[in-house]
Amino acid sequence: DGGITQSPKYLFRKEGQNVTLSCEQNLNHDAMYWYRQDPGQGLRLIYYSQIVNDFQKGDIAEGYSVSREKKESFPLTVTSAQKNPTAFYLCASTGTSGAYEQYFGPGTRLTVT
Amino acid sequence: SQQGEEDPQALSIQEGENATMNCSYKTSINNLQWYRQNSGRGLVHLILIRSNEREKHSGRLRVTLDTSKKSSSLLITASRAADTASYFCATAYIQGAQKLVFGQGTRLTINP
Repeated sequence: DGGITQSPKYLFRKEGQNVTLSCEQNLNHDAMYWYRQDPGQGLRLIYYSQIVNDFQKGDIAEGYSVSREKKESFPLTVTSAQKNPTAFYLCASTGTSGAYEQYFGPGTRLTVT
Repeated sequence: SQQGEEDPQALSIQEGENATMNCSYKTSINNLQWYRQNSGRGLVHLILIRSNEREKHSGRLRVTLDTSKKSSSLLITASRAADTASYFCATAYIQGAQKLVFGQGTRLTINP
């Protein structure tokens, strides 16, 4: 099956710990994105990557880091510097056709206590 | 912020009725898209309308775009209980690479 996978679905961490969220796609898409969604809110862009070994900050990049070493993978690390890390994190990808339609993974719900 | 606004924030109707959601945005766009999100899940793309299009249909969905008013609407006809979800508009601005800017969403509840 083609698509985007995110793991795990639920993640619990203690305050002060870094945590890495996984995002993998087999759609052969060049561009990948990480969003954060808080309860009852829309999506806010954290980081995005249009090509391997390159990525750009989104609107709320502080306290997060990413890497893009492979086309298929775009992991997101939530660092201890992120003040309010508890949220629902969504990964998406898109091809380079110019249509901008994004395909989303199922999301990871991170809870930090 | 370039984030658009959606209206209403929540909408509750009876099954079989039509549901209309509105989206406003701020600067010139390449296209505008609508997505659906079931509770606790990822978003699913519904429809894309380009800046030179005024109306687009897909099944029971009808999207309109008024670039002079910087607004769009999504109409779901003959609603079903399974249409219960949150609906988001997302704009691809002309200046902004391949980024999308999402609205706050409309929470739609269809009552049986």
